[in-house]
Amino acid sequence: DTGVSQDPRHKITKRGQNVTFRCDPISEHNRLYWYRQTLGQGPEFLTYFQNEAQLEKSRLLSNRFSAERPKGSFSTLEIQRTEQGDSAMYLCASSPLAHNEQFFGPGTRLTVL
Amino acid sequence: GESVGLHLPTLSVQEGDNSIINCAYSNSASDYFIWYKQESGKGPQFIIDIRSNMDKRQGQRVTVLLNKTVKHLSLQIAATQPGDSAVYFCAEKMTGNQFYFGTGTSLTVIP
Repeated sequence: DTGVSQDPRHKITKRGQNVTFRCDPISEHNRLYWYRQTLGQGPEFLTYFQNEAQLEKSRLLSNRFSAERPKGSFSTLEIQRTEQGDSAMYLCASSPLAHNEQFFGPGTRLTVL
Repeated sequence: GESVGLHLPTLSVQEGDNSIINCAYSNSASDYFIWYKQESGKGPQFIIDIRSNMDKRQGQRVTVLLNKTVKHLSLQIAATQPGDSAVYFCAEKMTGNQFYFGTGTSLTVIP
């Protein structure tokens, strides 16, 4: 399967714990996006990488959130000191430079107890 | 069947009928729009896109119409099938590479 993959698919954690999610984009896709989606809503943009450079961040991305893409391939999204309001589906998408179509992964569902 | 995405978030149609899903976007400067389909438990899947210099684009069984005057998009699905049941989102490209997704419309196809 050469699509976007995300790991883990599900994560249950206690409030205050740190969590890290991984996204492996489609090979050779330069652009990588992170979104958050809550039930009944559309995905909300969090951040965007072009290769290893983090070019855009949403104001939704509080200082508890950090994302990296150290080698311009896979990316990680870390949430520190999780809160119940962080419970959501975290989606990753990638696209080539040549056009805007984004290919989404299956998401990581986070539940904060 | 027809819906206005922001006011009627659900749409039910009979199998074989045509569906129309509507979306109002916010930014008159947006120059690119995408329709996505999202099935339960999966990430959004690209359906069709359109640039602001066009007012209509057709794909296989789907047509997107863009009315920039009233900032309105619609997705038409011909001969709707049970496999079309999903939530449909329109997304507009904002400044830079940020995409803003609408609330979505849930389409249910009745066999």
